Amino acid sequence: EDKVVQSPLSLVVHEGDTVTLNCSYEVTNFRSLLWYKQEKKAPTFLFMLTSSGIEKKSGRLSSILDKKELFSILNITATQTGDSAVYLCAASYSGAGSYQLTFGKGTKLSVIP
Amino acid sequence: EAQVTQNPRYLITVTGKKLTVTCSQNMNHEYMSWYRQDPGLGLRQIYYSMNVEVTDKGDVPEGYKVSRKEKRNFPLILESPSPNQTSLYFCASSADRRSNQPQHFGDGTRLSIL
Repeated sequence: EDKVVQSPLSLVVHEGDTVTLNCSYEVTNFRSLLWYKQEKKAPTFLFMLTSSGIEKKSGRLSSILDKKELFSILNITATQTGDSAVYLCAASYSGAGSYQLTFGKGTKLSVIP
Repeated sequence: EAQVTQNPRYLITVTGKKLTVTCSQNMNHEYMSWYRQDPGLGLRQIYYSMNVEVTDKGDVPEGYKVSRKEKRNFPLILESPSPNQTSLYFCASSADRRSNQPQHFGDGTRLSIL
């Protein structure tokens, strides 16, 4: 059973649109929720969220976590073709002395001119 | 420059021929991990290590071995590779051994097992 579920799996928008990507998680001993952007190569870090309700922003990207409802969203405003990528979220959690990171399957965003 | 380096970047080999993918980081990170990425399945953790000589299984450890003899290196070993291990592999490291910090990823190793 998937511990981290992202939606939608893929999305096509026009430049200038605003998009919202969703990530829900179900893990015990949750520690943090992380967002990554993956273009052709390795994932690159975007945000780490540990507290509910505190929005993190970086330029046109922002993200927020709801620990009560167990989900996070990633918003991208005024999208550009350079935002085309797969966006991954991951839940960090611990248990019995172990610390693991589980990723969702990703949302593939395509921004067309 | 802070980085995670994987080698080789690409490898085509045959079933049963032992291979090792090396991973090295220059950031003095305690936490290192290996993932495989497959279409439709996303990134799945194979093994991770919280410190030297400490390794643990992730979600898909079958068919893989790792070792952590030094802090900077975390090789992934396939003793007897099979075609279902054909995948894109990423090594990653994190400053916090409890993985509560962003992970830095290597550029990936594309393995093809014939």
